[in-house]
Amino acid sequence: GAGVSQSPSNKVTEKGKDVELRCDPISGHTALYWYRQSLGQGLEFLIYFQGNSAPDKSGLPSDRFSAERTGGSVSTLTIQRTQQEDSAVYLCASSRDIYSGNTIYFGEGSWLTVV
Amino acid sequence: DQQVKQNSPSLSVQEGRISILNCDYTNSMFDYFLWYKKYPAEGPTFLISISSIKDKNEDGRFTVFLNKSAKHLSLHIVPSQPGDSAVYFCAAISQAGTALIFGKGTTLSVSS
Repeated sequence: GAGVSQSPSNKVTEKGKDVELRCDPISGHTALYWYRQSLGQGLEFLIYFQGNSAPDKSGLPSDRFSAERTGGSVSTLTIQRTQQEDSAVYLCASSRDIYSGNTIYFGEGSWLTVV
Repeated sequence: DQQVKQNSPSLSVQEGRISILNCDYTNSMFDYFLWYKKYPAEGPTFLISISSIKDKNEDGRFTVFLNKSAKHLSLHIVPSQPGDSAVYFCAAISQAGTALIFGKGTTLSVSS
């Protein structure tokens, strides 16, 4: 596609439910990143993929968070047993490779609200 | 521990004046630095970058300065325009294998 596509754009879920957020990166981009921005906070790094592998999962806040990427393309971020503090914008980005800092393109984000 | 710090959450500037946004980092492995701009309800977009082998990079109204010894960089916007009002994120990356790490952002408001 022309840009990074994320779905859903908005999600309201009840506390305790699981949610899946999807990211479709730019075609040919091998690196894919997930970030989170909570209200009034900066961009918090969660995880990145180089191809299908995730060399750095250090940013995942807890074991309720997991992510996978298959076929070197689409990635899914899963949050199990959601809590109210999980409410945030979840941003996905992709780049040609991990070092292409100036060619990292972001999607518009998935706004998650846990009630 | 925050590796990239933007200590000013907000900055207000008059149209036509210079805006200076500051950023500090702690990880000496970082060797490439970027500034992103973000409007509400949109993803961040790349603005300007600088490699650690340089101390200045200029692109139109935007100039980034890097002081490696102080682990400090700054973004200068001159002249500032109302359309520059946005959140500006400083980010850093290392070819040794870190992901792009962002600061918390500075909200710039340019008044006409």
